[in-house]
Amino acid sequence: DQQVKQNSPSLSVQEGRISILNCDYTNSMFDYFLWYKKYPAEGPTFLISISSIKDKNEDGRFTVFLNKSAKHLSLHIVPSQPGDSAVYFCAASSPGTPLVFGKGTRLSVIA
Amino acid sequence: KAGVTQTPRYLIKTRGQQVTLSCSPISGHRSVSWYQQTPGQGLQFLFEYFSETQRNKGNFPGRFSGRQFSNSRSEMNVSTLELGDSALYLCASRDGRRNSPLHFGNGTRLTVT
Repeated sequence: DQQVKQNSPSLSVQEGRISILNCDYTNSMFDYFLWYKKYPAEGPTFLISISSIKDKNEDGRFTVFLNKSAKHLSLHIVPSQPGDSAVYFCAASSPGTPLVFGKGTRLSVIA
Repeated sequence: KAGVTQTPRYLIKTRGQQVTLSCSPISGHRSVSWYQQTPGQGLQFLFEYFSETQRNKGNFPGRFSGRQFSNSRSEMNVSTLELGDSALYLCASRDGRRNSPLHFGNGTRLTVT
């Protein structure tokens, strides 16, 4: 039973345009959500997080949106750059429990 | 500050053998978690240790075990290796705050032949 789902295995975007990566979750107890980026042969790198008391968090080119009623979050990257090409993982947790990860979305930014 | 260090980076073992992987967390981080990544399965949680105590355990067979030392360094052990254990094993550490993010090492790539 997958509690965190990333339904798009891959996404291609033109350089300079917006990248939107989506994530759905089923556990209503989740109250903390994160996005990680992973390059080949490296571990995942923390990008941005959001608490369930907020619906938006912004950090430079990265913005995460949380829609609790829909149990959906998204990561927006504007503008997209070739260096953003990586696998992006969505993760979620509830108090006292470990982070649960989605299976990832491979983003390709085309120059 | 040095990041999370995992050794070795690559390992090749045969079925039936056992293996020990090592992880040194970021200085000051007392929580260490282990994840298994396989193609198409994302990151699957193995276990979490905090101050030498196992705090959470994932849904893996008893062949997978771990421990944490007083200096917060951690090891995980897999006994009686199976072909399906071939994966990238990732260690992550974080500080003790409630919503602090995990910081990952670069992983150990285990291949079982």
